Amino acid sequence: AQSVTQLGSHVSVSEGALVLLRCNYSSSVPPYLFWYVQYPNQGLQLLLKYTTGATLVKGINGFEAEFKKSETSFHLTKPSAHMSDAAEYFCAVRGFNKFYFGSGTKLNVKP
Amino acid sequence: EAGVAQSPRYKIIEKRQSVAFWCNPISGHATLYWYQQILGQGPKLLIQFQNNGVVDDSQLPKDRFSAERLKGVDSTLKIQPAKLEDSAVYLCASSLDVSQETQYFGPGTRLLVL
Repeated sequence: AQSVTQLGSHVSVSEGALVLLRCNYSSSVPPYLFWYVQYPNQGLQLLLKYTTGATLVKGINGFEAEFKKSETSFHLTKPSAHMSDAAEYFCAVRGFNKFYFGSGTKLNVKP
Repeated sequence: EAGVAQSPRYKIIEKRQSVAFWCNPISGHATLYWYQQILGQGPKLLIQFQNNGVVDDSQLPKDRFSAERLKGVDSTLKIQPAKLEDSAVYLCASSLDVSQETQYFGPGTRLLVL
């Protein structure tokens, strides 16, 4: 069975600080892993994805994530937060052609 | 390239009424998904189509929810009768086909049931 756990429903950082959003997954098959961002009143936008190959994945807007099989984790990071990064972020795992989403983490960026 | 279109964007109804949502996927995308996103939660898959056939509807409350994709392009999702707990955002997404890992989401329809 596939599932996703996102630790921390709310994360607050200062502008320019490191962003770290945590995601742990469970999958009975080799996982495809995703991070999506959702701005208010909008749909989800793909930030980055891991399918196979290099475990450090770079995405849009300066975000990256590292697939760690031994830790069943896929944490999202950004070296320096910007005010425009304030949004809700969802981690997802794909297995058997179905997507399973975490409950989301709202990122607040303080000036 | 036009994105996934959804309408209406907002809908307010009273419980026991019926409501329908419409989705137009990206041109050429064979796979279409409907998700329910309750406030504070991640999206939950309701139904997945491959062309006009249903791939997965295991989490669709079939006593009140129905969906169709008659010509393998547009899709409608209907709720009849609506309950208070149906208040959510209904997201439509599409992908090239069922094996493609990238989904593209529409802006969603926000439903409030009073």
